[in-house]
Amino acid sequence: DGGITQSPKYLFRKEGQNVTLSCEQNLNHDAMYWYRQDPGQGLRLIYYSQIVNDFQKGDIAEGYSVSREKKESFPLTVTSAQKNPTAFYLCASSIGPYGSTDTQYFGPGTRLTVL
Amino acid sequence: AQKVTQAQTEISVVEKEDVTLDCVYETRDTTYYLFWYKQPPSGELVFLIRRNSFDEQNEISGRYSWNFQKSTSSFNFTITASQVVDSAVYFCALSHSGSRLTFGEGTQLTVNP
Repeated sequence: DGGITQSPKYLFRKEGQNVTLSCEQNLNHDAMYWYRQDPGQGLRLIYYSQIVNDFQKGDIAEGYSVSREKKESFPLTVTSAQKNPTAFYLCASSIGPYGSTDTQYFGPGTRLTVL
Repeated sequence: AQKVTQAQTEISVVEKEDVTLDCVYETRDTTYYLFWYKQPPSGELVFLIRRNSFDEQNEISGRYSWNFQKSTSSFNFTITASQVVDSAVYFCALSHSGSRLTFGEGTQLTVNP
């Protein structure tokens, strides 16, 4: 079955700790994205990547970092510099790459709670 | 600047009622795409439809239909004969350069039995 997996579904961390959220896809998509969703709000773009070894900041990149070493993987690190990290994080992918307006498909999300 | 407005924060209907979710967008691009996604309580966003700016034909898929009107910058979504399983948050989104999506804030639809 092709799709996007995110792990874990629920994640708890202490304040001041860095945490890495996993996102893997087997759809052979070039482009991948990370969004943040806060209660009662829409999705906001954190980072996106059109091809391997390349990524761009989205609208709310501060306090986050990413890497794209493999086509199928796009991990997101929430650093201690992120002031309000508690949120629902969604990963997406699309066929890509550059300039494309293809449909984005989403993973199941990771709910991060910082205690 | 790109903007998507979903003015209805919450809608509650009784099963079998028809319901329309509104979406109004702003863009300076002449070529763009509009999307609707469904987010059930599980959290995953489910793709429903993609429509490009040059195709104003209405679309129907089962109980779902979409009305795209460029003149009013609207892309409304209607569910006919709603069912409890339709209860979810629905997002309208606009794509522009570089594959970026701008989302509305979503409409929480509750269908009561």
